[in-house]
Amino acid sequence: GDSVTQMEGPVTLSEEAFLTINCTYTATGYPSLFWYVQYPGEGLQLLLKATKADDKGSNKGFEATYRKETTSFHLEKGSVQVSDSAVYFCALSDRRGGSNYKLTFGKGTLLTVNP
Amino acid sequence: DSGVTQTPKHLITATGQRVTLRCSPRSGDLSVYWYQQSLDQGLQFLIQYYNGEERAKGNILERFSAQQFPDLHSELNLSSLELGDSALYFCASSRGQVNSPLHFGNGTRLTVT
Repeated sequence: GDSVTQMEGPVTLSEEAFLTINCTYTATGYPSLFWYVQYPGEGLQLLLKATKADDKGSNKGFEATYRKETTSFHLEKGSVQVSDSAVYFCALSDRRGGSNYKLTFGKGTLLTVNP
Repeated sequence: DSGVTQTPKHLITATGQRVTLRCSPRSGDLSVYWYQQSLDQGLQFLIQYYNGEERAKGNILERFSAQQFPDLHSELNLSSLELGDSALYFCASSRGQVNSPLHFGNGTRLTVT
């Protein structure tokens, strides 16, 4: 079945450092890929997405490129802020049908950014 | 605010009991999803409904059941509760179209003692 593997956390960085969180996937079809972020005490929020190979999703300074050849969707940010501290989830969609659609998530990576 | 409302926020109950978790989707969203989040298993997909009909089933135990009502709100029923059922249960909703993002509620934290 479909699966997502993302780097183990926790990740601790200083403010303005460069961030990379690795994500690779296994899928039987041609999935769409997502990054979600979860702040403490809240639900998950969509951060960015990419729906086809070589697409780059971007939002709030975060970027990720859909690499079909390496089945990867690594999350990057050039300069992190304390407010970026959260848990980040990589996910893929199951696109078997228009209304038959779910997301499979990785285990999440806790990011802590220190001032 | 995602627009998805889950109640209650916290639930503490004993083993063997039954509870009902409720979810109101975002206005206009036809699809509702239930996920269980625990430290060891991560986020596990349980079940999806679209406009009242079950559409996809994941790792949902037979002791668990769900439904989506005509007004599109959904309920997740957990029975014969065990200690291992303690987790955060999330509801999410979407338009139900391919690539539609999921909008998550803030979850119900269930503690089974």
